[in-house]
Amino acid sequence: QVQLQEAGPGLVKPSETLSLSCTVSGGSISNSYWSWIRQPPGKGLEWIGYIHYSGSINYNPSLKSRVTMSVDRSKNQFSLNLRSVTAADTAVYYCAAFSGYDFRSWGQGTLVTVSS
Amino acid sequence: QFALTQPASVSGSPGQSITISCTGTASDIGSYNFVSWYQRLPGKAPKLIIYEVNKRPSGVSDRFSGSKSGDTASLTISGLQTEDEADYYCCSFAGRSTFDVVFGGGTKLTVL
Repeated sequence: QVQLQEAGPGLVKPSETLSLSCTVSGGSISNSYWSWIRQPPGKGLEWIGYIHYSGSINYNPSLKSRVTMSVDRSKNQFSLNLRSVTAADTAVYYCAAFSGYDFRSWGQGTLVTVSS
Repeated sequence: QFALTQPASVSGSPGQSITISCTGTASDIGSYNFVSWYQRLPGKAPKLIIYEVNKRPSGVSDRFSGSKSGDTASLTISGLQTEDEADYYCCSFAGRSTFDVVFGGGTKLTVL
């Protein structure tokens, strides 16, 4: 089972871009889909989107206009960029291995706070 | 609001069985046998405990079982243990044309 670890700043200013990366270990990034999920404080899980190393991508329609995901095969990493953030984007962000139907492995999660 | 509806909380005593429901629509749970369940222990990342309605990943206790009827999926935990106290989330595949994945709002299980 692969292990995943999120990395990125814990504090982002409103209107700026939230950028996170996820390093995959114990397996190749070419062997799966990869996804981002978030959980705002006190709320449930929200699927952000998924990416396959081949370039196949799908984003949550509610976030699609602000989200970009990418894969770096040389680093066995994938990344999330969320533009024009507001306080509503404050959440714990998880990266996960996505089978196409479910999330098999998860990172520990990283709290990102949007505040000036 | 969430696409899938779960009760906000359920409770049970050690040794008892509980069931958490997850209600969707004909576009998600009703159309696909790709319902998954996740356990989130306090301070931990979510963990897959059921996939494809009723399959358990290796290492997950057989006290956890899943089922589906129509647009509603269910997670049953038998022989409740104190360590089962956690948040549980359901998730369903929803088709390639729109949302691929939808989550429920989560259910807090309290073991009394």
